[in-house]
Amino acid sequence: GQQLNQSPQSMFIQEGEDVSMNCTSSSIFNTWLWYKQDPGEGPVLLIALYKAGELTSNGRLTAQFGITRKDSFLNISASIPSDVGIYFCAGQRTINQAGTALIFGKGTTLSVSS
Amino acid sequence: DTGVSQNPRHKITKRGQNVTFRCDPISEHNRLYWYRQTLGQGPEFLTYFQNEAQLEKSRLLSDRFSAERPKGSFSTLEIQRTEQGDSAMYLCASSPSGEQFFGPGTRLTVL
Repeated sequence: GQQLNQSPQSMFIQEGEDVSMNCTSSSIFNTWLWYKQDPGEGPVLLIALYKAGELTSNGRLTAQFGITRKDSFLNISASIPSDVGIYFCAGQRTINQAGTALIFGKGTTLSVSS
Repeated sequence: DTGVSQNPRHKITKRGQNVTFRCDPISEHNRLYWYRQTLGQGPEFLTYFQNEAQLEKSRLLSDRFSAERPKGSFSTLEIQRTEQGDSAMYLCASSPSGEQFFGPGTRLTVL
């Protein structure tokens, strides 16, 4: 089945540093999404990407949809303690006439020390 | 709060018991999804509704699992004869079209 390879698995950084994480797939996706999940909570949507080559920002977050449509990356600039959490990439695939399902990576756990 | 809500947030049950979870999607979202997430993994797709119709079920959804969305609004997920392997976070998401918005999840522990 389709799988997403997300790296790195974990990161330990100092407050103020920039962070980069990426996601690759053996399959093409038409939409890539990035989510953040805090312990005991559901994933929260950060950025959605709909077009190959698209670069989208949301505050200190920037994500890009790879030209091959098989990869995406997420950058966080000037990290702060509240950035701590697990970041998931997800590719969206069509499952039915109008429905879609998300295929998730295994997540990148981010720890920020002040 | 107009986000996706799920109840209960936590459920502890004994092996062999039946459990039912509820999801209330964002108002007017016609698409509703159930996912399962185990420790250290990303969520995995279980099933999908468009309005009241269940249009897709993953092979992960065994015969012991059943989901309904009777009026095209809230949805329930029932697990019969629970097994320890069913212990996981069960997440619900709703969508108007593309982007999916998740609820806080129901954490199931089967003893």
